[in-house]
Amino acid sequence: RKEVEQDPGPFNVPEGATVAFNCTYSNSASQSFFWYRQDCRKEPKLLMSVYSSGNEDGRFTAQLNRASQYISLLIRDSKLSDSATYLCVWGTGGGNKLTFGTGTQLKVEL
Amino acid sequence: DGGITQSPKYLFRKEGQNVTLSCEQNLNHDAMYWYRQDPGQGLRLIYYSQIVNDFQKGDIAEGYSVSREKKESFPLTVTSAQKNPTAFYLCASRKDRGDNSPLHFGNGTRLTVT
Repeated sequence: RKEVEQDPGPFNVPEGATVAFNCTYSNSASQSFFWYRQDCRKEPKLLMSVYSSGNEDGRFTAQLNRASQYISLLIRDSKLSDSATYLCVWGTGGGNKLTFGTGTQLKVEL
Repeated sequence: DGGITQSPKYLFRKEGQNVTLSCEQNLNHDAMYWYRQDPGQGLRLIYYSQIVNDFQKGDIAEGYSVSREKKESFPLTVTSAQKNPTAFYLCASRKDRGDNSPLHFGNGTRLTVT
């Protein structure tokens, strides 16, 4: 099994839609989970940290399911500006080694 | 303003030459990281350092070397042993080893080796 699995997409959705991404990880000792957003030819930028209890930031909701070893990102009321690649990140080795998923591409269309 | 500075933004080298990519941060972060990204792919970890004078290999360290002589600086050398060096290189730092301390990235260096 790959260390992480993330559907590459692209997810083409209409503006206003709700879209969800999952990222599964194989190392059960993983700690510290994050979602990053990356625009074309730019550096990744932190979207949100993922807490065990789940957390929400405006239109974005992140959740962690340790039993099934995946994290999820839900985007409500999609905007054109949400078009980007979304990368999941998790920490192992006491949280020191941070590994990225391959990214899921989202395209929001009119 | 605090941040991470990578230079240069674009770098061109001939095959067989070593090249060093610069990464400097003034965020007073303890940990620093180097990642490589190829077109259409995710980021792969090359090296990381939690503290001055100490660093660990990531998943693709072969053909690369680093040093951490100062807290603020974490240069990456791409050696001639790296078989496919052309890529987008990203440096990042992190406040500490705390579980929820996120990575902050520089703007990256695009290296082209011909």
